[in-house]
Amino acid sequence: AQKVTQAQTEISVVEKEDVTLDCVYETRDTTYYLFWYKQPPSGELVFLIRRNSFDEQNEISGRYSWNFQKSTSSFNFTITASQVVDSAVYFCALSAALGGSEKLVFGKGMKLTVNP
Amino acid sequence: NAGVTQTPKFRILKIGQSMTLQCTQDMNHNYMYWYRQDPGMGLKLIYYSVGAGITDKGEVPNGYNVSRSTTEDFPLRLELAAPSQTSVYFCASSYSNGYTNSYEQYFGPGTRLTVT
Repeated sequence: AQKVTQAQTEISVVEKEDVTLDCVYETRDTTYYLFWYKQPPSGELVFLIRRNSFDEQNEISGRYSWNFQKSTSSFNFTITASQVVDSAVYFCALSAALGGSEKLVFGKGMKLTVNP
Repeated sequence: NAGVTQTPKFRILKIGQSMTLQCTQDMNHNYMYWYRQDPGMGLKLIYYSVGAGITDKGEVPNGYNVSRSTTEDFPLRLELAAPSQTSVYFCASSYSNGYTNSYEQYFGPGTRLTVT
């Protein structure tokens, strides 16, 4: 069975602070994909990143960076110099694309509040 | 491209009533999904479809039905609404080559359903 755990449920920071969102996953599949989605207060889900299990390179996109470590089954997300617009619920998700089913298993989400 | 569109945005149902949530995508994606999101929880998969005429159950299918007669449309039917079906419903779509690649899912804006 696949499982995604986001242990932090809510974090509050002050603008310009760095913040890391933790994600730990469980799967028996050797080929899998990890995702992060953002859900701002308006409610829509915004795709942030996709990473496959064979690519452990860290990725940086502007103020966002992701650290994938297979040894600890973690895919953590860091926001550098946070801004008020980063306030949202962030979801980590896992997909094992065996047979093309591609079902996403989501964590429960982590609510980030960035205060001015 | 409009992406994934859902109607209605909001709906209040009485217990025992039926309704259909509409979902349409214009990205020519072969895969489509229905999720529900309960407060403080991640998204849970209700049903999914890998192509027109093919559907399968997700994690929480009870009380729902789907059909996929075209690539674009994937309606979700609630037959006898119950208070436990009060939730926000998201439709999503993605492309798959049917092998081991899992691409990001694009989500609609959601339908907020209340059953009283």
